[in-house]
Amino acid sequence: GQNIDQPTEMTATEGAIVQINCTYQTSGFNGLFWYQQHAGEAPTFLSYNVLDGLEEKGRFSSFLSRSKGYSYLLLKELQMKDSASYLCAVRDNYGQNFVFGPGTRLSVLP
Amino acid sequence: DVKVTQSSRYLVKRTGEKVFLECVQDMDHENMFWYRQDPGLGLRLIYFSYDVKMKEKGDIPEGYSVSREKKERFSLILESASTNQTSMYLCASGGTSGSSTDTQYFGPGTRLTVL
Repeated sequence: GQNIDQPTEMTATEGAIVQINCTYQTSGFNGLFWYQQHAGEAPTFLSYNVLDGLEEKGRFSSFLSRSKGYSYLLLKELQMKDSASYLCAVRDNYGQNFVFGPGTRLSVLP
Repeated sequence: DVKVTQSSRYLVKRTGEKVFLECVQDMDHENMFWYRQDPGLGLRLIYFSYDVKMKEKGDIPEGYSVSREKKERFSLILESASTNQTSMYLCASGGTSGSSTDTQYFGPGTRLTVL
């Protein structure tokens, strides 16, 4: 079966660092993606991992361990505009299908 | 910039009506997808298409059908709308299957309410 887990909600303070975890069990794997979705808007692409390790992109970093079926998204120097839902998604072996997690709603407080 | 557009942002229909949701992308992507998004359930795949006139069922195809007559356009059809189809519907498109970084690009979504 296909299963992706993320915490439902997280709260953090402006300027802080937050780590959003994602665990997955999927029948195939050809990359893990993170998306950001503000309320009422479409998801937008944040990051991509296909090999183990850390990918850094400005204030955002994403980590992958394929053997553990685990990823995290790290957000540094949090800003109020980072308040959004963060979706973890796994692409299947054939590169066509994405399986999405339920999303983590992050609230950044002043 | 990739652009994915959907025909309506908000739609209100009555039970039993036939509903058409249209999606158009301008990046010549082969793959197009229809999802619904419900609180606590995340994005669930309804149907996808990897070529013109080709379609594949996703995880929750019951009560839906799709049409892809042209590469840039992918339509979702609710043959007889029911209240449990009230949801946010998101269309997405993506590039060549298997490419290392091909992500999915999403349209703005259609919030459908069935009364």
